[in-house]
Amino acid sequence: EVQLVESGGGLVQPGGSLRLSCAASGFTFSAYWMTWVRQAPGKGLVWVAHIKTDGSQSSYVDSVRGRFTISRDNAKNLVFLQMNSLRAEDTAIYYCAKYSGRAMDVWGQGTTVTVS
Amino acid sequence: DIVMTQTPLSLSVTPGQPASISCKSSQSLLSSDGRTYLNWYLQKAGQPPQLLIYEVSNRFSGVPDRFSGSGSGTDFTLTVSRVEAEDVGVYYCMQGTHLPWTFGQGTKVEIK
Repeated sequence: EVQLVESGGGLVQPGGSLRLSCAASGFTFSAYWMTWVRQAPGKGLVWVAHIKTDGSQSSYVDSVRGRFTISRDNAKNLVFLQMNSLRAEDTAIYYCAKYSGRAMDVWGQGTTVTVS
Repeated sequence: DIVMTQTPLSLSVTPGQPASISCKSSQSLLSSDGRTYLNWYLQKAGQPPQLLIYEVSNRFSGVPDRFSGSGSGTDFTLTVSRVEAEDVGVYYCMQGTHLPWTFGQGTKVEIK
């Protein structure tokens, strides 16, 4: 079964840092780009970042560029989101998703980040 | 950034009746590789989004055939031919052609 499980969320003060993790199973992790998408309370979906199969290329939405870093460990089937200089507006559920090359086709259940 | 505009923002549908959601993009979503990366997702209450349609009109694995997508360029439509109770939730279109990838505001579908 293809599965993504996020962890690492929690309550952090403004200006603080968190590192989110996403553990993948059930598919050849190293063959797929991976993404992070967030959803603020009661709001819509926002793509945050994605990373290429080998980690050599990544992209970010403007609102997090320079503060967040996406990375991956293909040996351990993990993708990470290092979040620094956190702001209240970063409060959201953060979803990890597998990118098939055509769409984000498998999503985790999400991990909640609260900046307050 | 590409702006994705969905209409309507809410929809109340009688079971067994059709429903359509429009999604318009501020620029063409036709990619240089000839593909159009317009996808549709459904987010049920308390759950992560689930992929329904990819590249305008392709149903994802396991998605019932009452869901269909159409369109090109900047205008796209998701149609549910006969709405069922399990189809309630918020529907999002999303473009993956231009960075940053962007979502529509969402359309909330409820059953009458």
